[in-house]
Amino acid sequence: KAGVTQTPRYLIKTRGQQVTLSCSPISGHRSVSWYQQTPGQGLQFLFEYFSETQRNKGNFPGRFSGRQFSNSRSEMNVSTLELGDSALYLCASSLDVMVDTQYFGPGTRLTVL
Amino acid sequence: DAKTTQPPSMDCAEGRAANLPCNHSTISGNEYVYWYRQIHSQGPQYIIHGLKNNETNEMASLIITEDRKSSTLILPHATLRDTAVYYCIVLMSSNYQLIWGAGTKLIIKP
Repeated sequence: KAGVTQTPRYLIKTRGQQVTLSCSPISGHRSVSWYQQTPGQGLQFLFEYFSETQRNKGNFPGRFSGRQFSNSRSEMNVSTLELGDSALYLCASSLDVMVDTQYFGPGTRLTVL
Repeated sequence: DAKTTQPPSMDCAEGRAANLPCNHSTISGNEYVYWYRQIHSQGPQYIIHGLKNNETNEMASLIITEDRKSSTLILPHATLRDTAVYYCIVLMSSNYQLIWGAGTKLIIKP
């Protein structure tokens, strides 16, 4: 069974731009969570989607948004990029609810210049 | 919210058992302990999880103390490929969020 895939793997943007990251979960997994990882803050939870609905949300500004499609694929969007948004963005999928084991993708490395 | 405390780094000789401790003294009765590892900026890899009883799988063993305030991850025969940052995480029962700490950087030495 294929693992979680994320595209693109690397991205360079400039301040003020917006970016969309994509995540394809493991087949049959309905929950998708997004995390931001930076050297200073570690892994921080952004939000979780289940059946196209945002079910949980972390403490990030409204510039960070996401959505989930009927096939469980998910996208996250960051508008008006800031230098501090440079990070590894990780997507994780689980079978049903978040209490199930989460399997992570390789991440998207975003650099904001 | 339950938090975890881990040593920032540990060394282990190749072929020996690596024992990684974790303190989670504020854990609630229905909160699970999860262990993941991350190898140099790759996505975290699931290792094992448990609630009350000790658990074992093909990768590792998880020993949880009877009062559930601490646990130990055991890699029985460490190899160089086990060098990674190991995260002990509590899954919050209120909203099923995984709360990540700083982890333990485990270095396996030949």
